[in-house]
Parts: sequence; C-alpha cells; structure tokens
Amino acid sequence: GAVVSQHPSWVICKSGTSVKIECRSLDFQATTMFWYRQFPKQSLMLMATSNEGSKATYEQGVEKDKFLINHASLTLSTLTVTSAHPEDSSFYICSARQGTKLFFGSGTQLSVL
Amino acid sequence: GESVGLHLPTLSVQEGDNSIINCAYSNSASDYFIWYKQESGKGPQFIIDIRSNMDKRQGQRVTVLLNKTVKHLSLQIAATQPGDSAVYFCAENGQKQAGTALIFGKGTTLSVSS
Repeated sequence: GAVVSQHPSWVICKSGTSVKIECRSLDFQATTMFWYRQFPKQSLMLMATSNEGSKATYEQGVEKDKFLINHASLTLSTLTVTSAHPEDSSFYICSARQGTKLFFGSGTQLSVL
Repeated sequence: GESVGLHLPTLSVQEGDNSIINCAYSNSASDYFIWYKQESGKGPQFIIDIRSNMDKRQGQRVTVLLNKTVKHLSLQIAATQPGDSAVYFCAENGQKQAGTALIFGKGTTLSVSS
C-alpha cells in the first residue's frame, strides 16, 4: 500500500508554545488529507479535511484558529497546534487519500507540560 | 472460537481460535466500510474493506461480513495469532463517495494468549 509519513512521532512542549506536525505522502500525490485526534483508549475523531491549495474544512467543535492546517503541496499537509495547553495533549494522526483508499500516518504523540 | 453479538470493548482468545469482532454503524447512507488494526502508539493499518453491494468479502485469514438490514459489520479472524493482538476499529464513509473522510466506530481490544 501507499506510504504516509508523519513527523515527529512524539513531541513534548511547554504550555503556550506552538507545535507543527507534518504529514507527507511519500509515493503518491494526495489532494486531500485528513487529520484525526485520538485520546487514550478512545476512537479516532476527525478534526479537519485538508485540501491542497484551499482552506481546510473543520469539523464542528474544532477551533480553526487553534489548529492551523496548511496543505501547500500535493504531498504535504501540516497541522500546527497554536498556544498549546495540557488539554491539547493527544495522539494526532493524519491520513491521505489515494484513489478510493485512505492510508494513515504513524501518528504523533503530543504532550503539553 | 469466540464471538460477540454486540460490541464489546475487549475480546480475549486463545492462540489458534477464531475471533469475531462486531461493529454497529450509524449512517444508513454509508456504502463503504473498512476494518483497521491499530497497535499501541501507531496509526491504523488497513485490514480489509467492503462495499455495500456485497455482504461478504474474504482476505488472508480475515473475512468481513456486512448486514445492511441491521447496520452491522463483523470481522472474523481465523487461527488467531499473538501478533493479531491490537485494537480493531471499523470505519464507514458516511457518504456515497468512497475515499472521503472516515467515521470510526468504537474499538475492540483483541488479546491473544499463547
């Protein structure tokens, strides 16, 4: 299957700082990528849909000014958690579409102190 | 083998047994369903998918059954191995177009003992 690379795999930051997470489709172009969030022992919750060259579409209850998404190329989408707080600590996972199938990155564990 | 009629958060089986993991989906408009396996600290890994015009699809050691009447999906794993231990999620597309954002169900943690 297609490979989606997510970086970093884990990050620890201080409260109030911003963190950027990258999602790359390595061997295919992805016009659409998705960002999910997962709390311990819970399911994946869709945060937003990232479209290359246009604004992201956010799910209800997700603050677009808090979670900035940039999909500047066909192989890269970034999620920036701005002014992170401890409640933003979570596992963030991206996925990219190739044809009709979705492939997932390995996730980023964010811990905000 | 061991089966569950309703969704259970955990399932424990012996190595070599058959496992059946159940999932109830919510959106009657969904026409594409996928099972994912997630190991601790990793992203979901595709296992098998099925479209709504089918009621059964088989892969290597895995079978997915779809019952649209009751909006129920199941994953059967034959001859379960310790390496199958993980959390399993079903996902639906919620819309008519496959490849759009997926809606994940509650996961089931499968534990396989030797």
